[in-house]
Parts: sequence; C-alpha cells; structure tokens
Amino acid sequence: NAGVTQTPKFRILKIGQSMTLQCTQDMNHNYMYWYRQDPGMGLKLIYYSVGAGITDKGEVPNGYNVSRSTTEDFPLRLELAAPSQTSVYFCASSYGVAGEAFFGQGTRLTVV
Amino acid sequence: QKEVEQNSGPLSVPEGAIASLNCTYSDRGSQSFFWYRQYSGKSPELIMSIYSNGDKEDGRFTAQLNKASQYVSLLIRDSQPSDSATYLCAVERSNDYKLSFGAGTTVTVRA
Repeated sequence: NAGVTQTPKFRILKIGQSMTLQCTQDMNHNYMYWYRQDPGMGLKLIYYSVGAGITDKGEVPNGYNVSRSTTEDFPLRLELAAPSQTSVYFCASSYGVAGEAFFGQGTRLTVV
Repeated sequence: QKEVEQNSGPLSVPEGAIASLNCTYSDRGSQSFFWYRQYSGKSPELIMSIYSNGDKEDGRFTAQLNKASQYVSLLIRDSQPSDSATYLCAVERSNDYKLSFGAGTTVTVRA
C-alpha cells in the first residue's frame, strides 16, 4: 500500500518549458488535490477533482492544467513555466473530508 | 485579514514542557478544523481533526476549539525532540468545503 506517489521529486525547468507532475494513489479515494507551498506560506490549492472525469479550479490555477481520466491518477501540467512557479508541489487525496487528506512526498520545482 | 492566522514562530520549548500553538480563522461558518505536522523537507501529515467545541485529546496532543471566538489551538504535552516540526492549522471553508491553511508555526524542542 504505497498511498500517494508523486514523481519526480526534484526538477529544474527553464523559463518557457513545460512539464507534467505525476500523482497516483492506491487508496481508491475519490477526492484528489494539487497544492503548492511557498516558503513561509501556507499551502495553496491549485486544482482539485471529486472523481474521474471531474476537475475544478482552486485558488491559484493560472498557468496549470489537470486531468483525471482514472480514479488513481491526477497529473498536473505546467505550460510555459515561469519563475513564479518555483515552489514545492504536493498532491493529496481523501476519501471525503478535504481535511483528512494523505499527501504525497512532494515535488520541488525550480524555474530558472 | 488572512483566512487562517497562526502565532508566529519559531517556538522553542524544553523537552518535557507543553508547547501551545494558536490559530484564528475568519470564516464564521467553518465547522471542521485540522492540525498537520510537517517535518523539514517532508510532506504534511494529519495529526488531529476537531469538529465540536471543546477539547479533543489523542495521546500527547490536545486540540481545543472555540467557534464563538473563531479560535483553535493545539497543545503538545511532554514535548519530545521528535515533535520538532512545523505545525499547520487548516480550516475547511464553509462555501466550498476546501481547506485554507495557515503559514505554520515551527516548533523546536530542545533537549
């Protein structure tokens, strides 16, 4: 039982490049989330999904896209990377209540 | 006004002492509250959830909630060096049931 798995753990991107952060969970949770965490700041919700085929924007969606084709997978796509997207990204999942979430180990992204 | 505010750290306590962490929130309709622990370089881990006014105890951790004062706290009794971490307060928003997080309070337990 791996829980929530994110890849990669670290990545350096050049301005304007694109990439996909992968997230998969094996707990059969319907709810999945992408957060970003900047130094000294709380986590900010980027996108979330309440089930396969259903996604919605969070607080800071600009510059990102998501898809949810299966219950297990919830990839986050960065298009045209900008320095402002330098952050630590966490994927999380929950059975129901958003606050009772399990987090992946995070992806540290630097855009230069 | 920030949605969730935590007392600024860092908080340094001696081993065996009580660490007290405070959190206030602005959404009067919020009903669900959570404390996460985050070790340096690691992901957040849920340690307490509280939904009703009063105290909730789990081992050495006690969460306290006062909805009238819009205040939630976390007490760590008999603090251990392994409790050294950043503690995030999270509040479920009443309009969309998503979480608002505080910036966190870093606790250091000195031996």
